[in-house]
Amino acid sequence: AAGVIQSPRHLIKEKRETATLKCYPIPRHDTVYWYQQGPGQDPQFLISFYEKMQSDKGSIPDRFSAQQFSDYHSELNMSSLELGDSALYFCASSSPLRRQGADEQFFGPGTRLTVL
Amino acid sequence: QQQVKQSPQSLIVQKGGISIINCAYENTAFDYFPWYQQFPGKGPALLIAIRPDVSEKKEGRFTISFNKSAKQFSLHIMDSQPGDSATYFCADLYGSARQLTFGSGTQLTVLP
Repeated sequence: AAGVIQSPRHLIKEKRETATLKCYPIPRHDTVYWYQQGPGQDPQFLISFYEKMQSDKGSIPDRFSAQQFSDYHSELNMSSLELGDSALYFCASSSPLRRQGADEQFFGPGTRLTVL
Repeated sequence: QQQVKQSPQSLIVQKGGISIINCAYENTAFDYFPWYQQFPGKGPALLIAIRPDVSEKKEGRFTISFNKSAKQFSLHIMDSQPGDSATYFCADLYGSARQLTFGSGTQLTVLP
């Protein structure tokens, strides 16, 4: 079965640089979530999109922005990178059935961002 | 943001033993409680989930027990195997997008 695809898998950037992370949800999934996971931490919700509109926002810095495109893929744009942004970034997707109570979220393999 | 409190932080079990991880929640909006399994450097994978209309759900060696009055739910791994060694997260849903809030995680080590 197709899974969530994320690219790149690894990314190394310098402080103050920008980064773009991409997420391709499971086919026919219309909702995308972004989570950030620091070393030894649990994943923290950043932002989500439903049908190409932002649906909710968590602890996402103003330096970060995201969008969902017409093909439902999503991109997380990160500017003025700081050392503390080094983390694993996960994308998850869920099915239109969520509106009928199917609340499963399926996670991608993640992008490991290292800021030097 | 709602919170879920998870314990223990780490757990060491002998092969064939039972692993038990506990979670407590404050309030829930969506009555859906999943457990995720995460291996190092990998994404969390949905293991099993329960809704409070039942007190227990079993899938293979994994069982969720749910106590609505105590606002607690637990994961039981029967016949634990070294391949089960991973970090386990309980979670709850919140917010308009039904996003996940996770417990702090339990690092399980199953000794051969």
